[in-house]
Amino acid sequence: DGGITQSPKYLFRKEGQNVTLSCEQNLNHDAMYWYRQDPGQGLRLIYYSQIVNDFQKGDIAEGYSVSREKKESFPLTVTSAQKNPTAFYLCASRDRDATNEKLFFGSGTQLSVL
Amino acid sequence: ILNVEQSPQSLHVQEGDSTNFTCSFPSSNFYALHWYRWETAKSPEALFVMTLNGDEKKKGRISATLNTKEGYSYLYIKGSQPEDSATYLCAFPHQAGTALIFGKGTTLSVSS
Repeated sequence: DGGITQSPKYLFRKEGQNVTLSCEQNLNHDAMYWYRQDPGQGLRLIYYSQIVNDFQKGDIAEGYSVSREKKESFPLTVTSAQKNPTAFYLCASRDRDATNEKLFFGSGTQLSVL
Repeated sequence: ILNVEQSPQSLHVQEGDSTNFTCSFPSSNFYALHWYRWETAKSPEALFVMTLNGDEKKKGRISATLNTKEGYSYLYIKGSQPEDSATYLCAFPHQAGTALIFGKGTTLSVSS
């Protein structure tokens, strides 16, 4: 079945540690996105990629990094510079980065700081 | 950063009640308005993507309307069922071809 797979489901980070969240899609979508959700907040955009080898910062990119070396993969690294990383992270994709294209979402990763 | 506002923040209704929520967005430079449903322990799923002023879309007991001139959309649920319990998100692209800005959502709880 086509879809978006995020792993791991739960992740714990130690102080000063970088961690990477995986997002893989087999929908052949060009555009991929990372959102963060905090309690009482809407989904906030971290990074997005319209095409392989290209990505743009979203509203809250500081302390995060991404790569898009393959069409199906868009990993997110939470660096030690992100001082408040505890949140729920959602990856999404769509056929192309166009306003009338709906998003497909993964099941999310809950990141917590030890 | 442009804001998408949703109201109410949460809502509790009885099975069989009809209900509606509001999404407000900037009326200038409108491109599209998205509605998503996010059930607990599941991934958000698209309900509607609306692009034209006056658009009305329907999916089963759920429908949505769009007023781009005044910058709002309504989501209606007729005869709510417990399985309708979820958070309903609306989203708006602030530029053509860019990522969506999401509202905080309306959380609906339906009691049987």
